[in-house]
Amino acid sequence: SQQGEEDPQALSIQEGENATMNCSYKTSINNLQWYRQNSGRGLVHLILIRSNEREKHSGRLRVTLDTSKKSSSLLITASRAADTASYFCATDKRSGGGADGLTFGKGTHLIIQP
Amino acid sequence: KAGVTQTPRYLIKTRGQQVTLSCSPISGHRSVSWYQQTPGQGLQFLFEYFSETQRNKGNFPGRFSGRQFSNSRSEMNVSTLELGDSALYLCASRPGLTRGNTIYFGEGSWLTVV
Repeated sequence: SQQGEEDPQALSIQEGENATMNCSYKTSINNLQWYRQNSGRGLVHLILIRSNEREKHSGRLRVTLDTSKKSSSLLITASRAADTASYFCATDKRSGGGADGLTFGKGTHLIIQP
Repeated sequence: KAGVTQTPRYLIKTRGQQVTLSCSPISGHRSVSWYQQTPGQGLQFLFEYFSETQRNKGNFPGRFSGRQFSNSRSEMNVSTLELGDSALYLCASRPGLTRGNTIYFGEGSWLTVV
């Protein structure tokens, strides 16, 4: 089952504007990762934030994590046409022993209008 | 260094046949996991291998199986294909099983079952 739920499901903005996507999850996590997927392609890793971190930056990306609300947000500043893609959050659960897979949300489809 | 490599990229199979997909992880990565992506179910974890042993398995029928070789390369097999098995199959690798490692994905193998 999908633990992460991204919001909104689709987002269309003008080039140069900022895009914010949100992700909620249900169980305790070890870390949360954001990925980008261009149509028909594989997943590109964007950023990983650990459960003891609150904010992380990478270039034009800013990720926040609120473990009390079980939510995360991804902000892309000064958007470009090349940012058009689907964005997924994925959680790595905090559970004992063994290796669990990532649990993905359904994604936010971002369209940057030129 | 090279990323996660998956072959073949595209294939078409007939119902009832079986298929084998191959994945080469990033050099030095010993953990390989597999995911299925469909429009209806999204991204779902299939299984993860480390040191040639399956460490965890998602909620998929026994028709889905995999293995890992001593060089960390992995294959997954789907037997008795069904139309619903049409999907993008993604392979991912990470250095080990420690939580908090970034997980890197390949470009995927597009399987169409007719």
